[in-house]
Amino acid sequence: NAGVTQTPKFQVLKTGQSMTLQCAQDMNHEYMSWYRQDPGMGLRLIHYSVGAGITDQGEVPNGYNVSRSTTEDFPLRLLSAAPSQTSVYFCASIGASGGRDTQYFGPGTRLTVL
Amino acid sequence: AQSVAQPEDQVNVAEGNPLTVKCTYSVSGNPYLFWYVQYPNRGLQFLLKYITGDNLVKGSYGFEAEFNKSQTSFHLKKPSALVSDSALYFCAVRDGNSGYSTLTFGKGTMLLVSP
Repeated sequence: NAGVTQTPKFQVLKTGQSMTLQCAQDMNHEYMSWYRQDPGMGLRLIHYSVGAGITDQGEVPNGYNVSRSTTEDFPLRLLSAAPSQTSVYFCASIGASGGRDTQYFGPGTRLTVL
Repeated sequence: AQSVAQPEDQVNVAEGNPLTVKCTYSVSGNPYLFWYVQYPNRGLQFLLKYITGDNLVKGSYGFEAEFNKSQTSFHLKKPSALVSDSALYFCAVRDGNSGYSTLTFGKGTMLLVSP
């Protein structure tokens, strides 16, 4: 199993550009989530999904959209990038197979918005 | 609302000495508590968790954590630190009465182990 994969690893955007951060897991996990990590602020939840077709907002959802059309994929869309969205983004998943409370994290995407 | 506090931004310890990384929490229901570790330029890795049972939980790489309900604490410990333990450590909590409720993370504590 590849676990949780994220692409790209690095990205530089100009203010106003849009892009999609990809996240995929091959563990058949029901629950997936997106976090952003900023220095001194820990991880903050952006959006999460408890299954295909079901998504909900986390602590800092503004400026981001998500969808969950399949169990495997959970892309994060930045509609109009802003410098405040410069951060490291992590995708994570949980499923019964790994213990329902253990989150598996991807390697992250480092995003810079100029 | 649930919250986690990691009062130390950084902990310094010499190799071979015991280490403690502190965590306190607040949650309305039953606390489910976790420690994760992050090495440079990597994602978070699960270390250990407390759901129920013994207050002393053993995890990966020789780490353990003690759940103290009266003090609402879940401190991470290791009897003998290694230089390779140097990393960023996160404590997290969720309400066990709320199904798939979201995890709340602390701000992280940087552990530096000197040779």
